[in-house]
Amino acid sequence: EAQVTQNPRYLITVTGKKLTVTCSQNMNHEYMSWYRQDPGLGLRQIYYSMNVEVTDKGDVPEGYKVSRKEKRNFPLILESPSPNQTSLYFCASSPVGGAGGPQHFGDGTRLSIL
Amino acid sequence: AQSVAQPEDQVNVAEGNPLTVKCTYSVSGNPYLFWYVQYPNRGLQFLLKYITGDNLVKGSYGFEAEFNKSQTSFHLKKPSALVSDSALYFCAVRDWNSGNTPLVFGKGTRLSVIA
Repeated sequence: EAQVTQNPRYLITVTGKKLTVTCSQNMNHEYMSWYRQDPGLGLRQIYYSMNVEVTDKGDVPEGYKVSRKEKRNFPLILESPSPNQTSLYFCASSPVGGAGGPQHFGDGTRLSIL
Repeated sequence: AQSVAQPEDQVNVAEGNPLTVKCTYSVSGNPYLFWYVQYPNRGLQFLLKYITGDNLVKGSYGFEAEFNKSQTSFHLKKPSALVSDSALYFCAVRDWNSGNTPLVFGKGTRLSVIA
């Protein structure tokens, strides 16, 4: 089954404790992306990747890092999480550099930073 | 810069009635337009897209959307709403003239279909 898998689905942690949210897709997509969803703000893009070893900042990259060492994986790293990073996070992937192709989304990761 | 506006935070409709969820966009070139739906505790699911061609696009679950270039709109429609259509709907746009710019989403419209 074609899917985007995020882990963990839920995480409560404390300020400053490094965390990684994993994202994996099994569709051989070139394009992968991370979004955060906040009430009243919709989805905002954090980082995206056009292919292996190619990453770019989205609209709200501050406080986040990503890497794309393999085509299927695109982890999101919070080196020193802060409460304003409490949010619902989605990973997405698509073929063709995300141009005309619809994105496939994971089921989300709800992060609470205390 | 590209942008999307969904002017209604909430749309309420009675089951069996037609529904419309509004979306307007702004791009400097030609748009790729998408609608996604989000059910509770799930990621966004693709409903339909407009790339080129016929202005009326048909998608999943009986939804359709009409591309109107002069009004820069891409409203989502369904002739007869179901209670199971209740969800959060997102419109998104990308300018296909602008290289690798990412997809830009609207803030979402919550649809409630009342039995």
